[in-house]
Amino acid sequence: GDSVTQMEGPVTLSEEAFLTINCTYTATGYPSLFWYVQYPGEGLQLLLKATKADDKGSNKGFEATYRKETTSFHLEKGSVQVSDSAVYFCALPNQAGTALIFGKGTTLSVSS
Amino acid sequence: DTGVSQDPRHKITKRGQNVTFRCDPISEHNRLYWYRQTLGQGPEFLTYFQNEAQLEKSRLLSDRFSAERPKGSFSTLEIQRTEQGDSAMYLCASSRATGSSMNTEAFFGQGTRLTVV
Repeated sequence: GDSVTQMEGPVTLSEEAFLTINCTYTATGYPSLFWYVQYPGEGLQLLLKATKADDKGSNKGFEATYRKETTSFHLEKGSVQVSDSAVYFCALPNQAGTALIFGKGTTLSVSS
Repeated sequence: DTGVSQDPRHKITKRGQNVTFRCDPISEHNRLYWYRQTLGQGPEFLTYFQNEAQLEKSRLLSDRFSAERPKGSFSTLEIQRTEQGDSAMYLCASSRATGSSMNTEAFFGQGTRLTVV
């Protein structure tokens, strides 16, 4: 079945470092792909999405490109801030398009 | 709009007791979802409603679980005869969607953390 695999964390970086969180997926067809973020004590929030191959989603300095050749949707940010410390989830819709399938999440910790 | 709200935020219960959680979605969102999240895992889909109709239930939703959305607005999730394995964060989300597409954004509540002792 459809699934998402994320790199395991935690990822620990210093402020202004470059961030990559890997995400690969297995799916039938070409579903939309999402990154959600969960800040401490808060609910999940949509960070960015891409709806078709080669699309680049971007928000708050984060980017991810939908690569069908490598079935990947890696999250990147050029210069992380302490406020980016959170858990990041890659997700895609199930085959019926009725719910999201999430990866296990990657915890990012940024220190000043 | 105040977003998706869930109540309570935390619940501690003894094994064997029944618990009920409430979710108030964003007004006019026709879809409402329940997910469960355990430590170190991503959210796992439990069930969803389109208006008042429960259209899909995951295999994770055992017979002890029941969800309702009586008037197509708020929803409740009840767990009967709780077990320690039910300890988790229960997340509610809502969206305004048409057809079967999940391309529209789902907005999540802060969750209800259940601890069964």
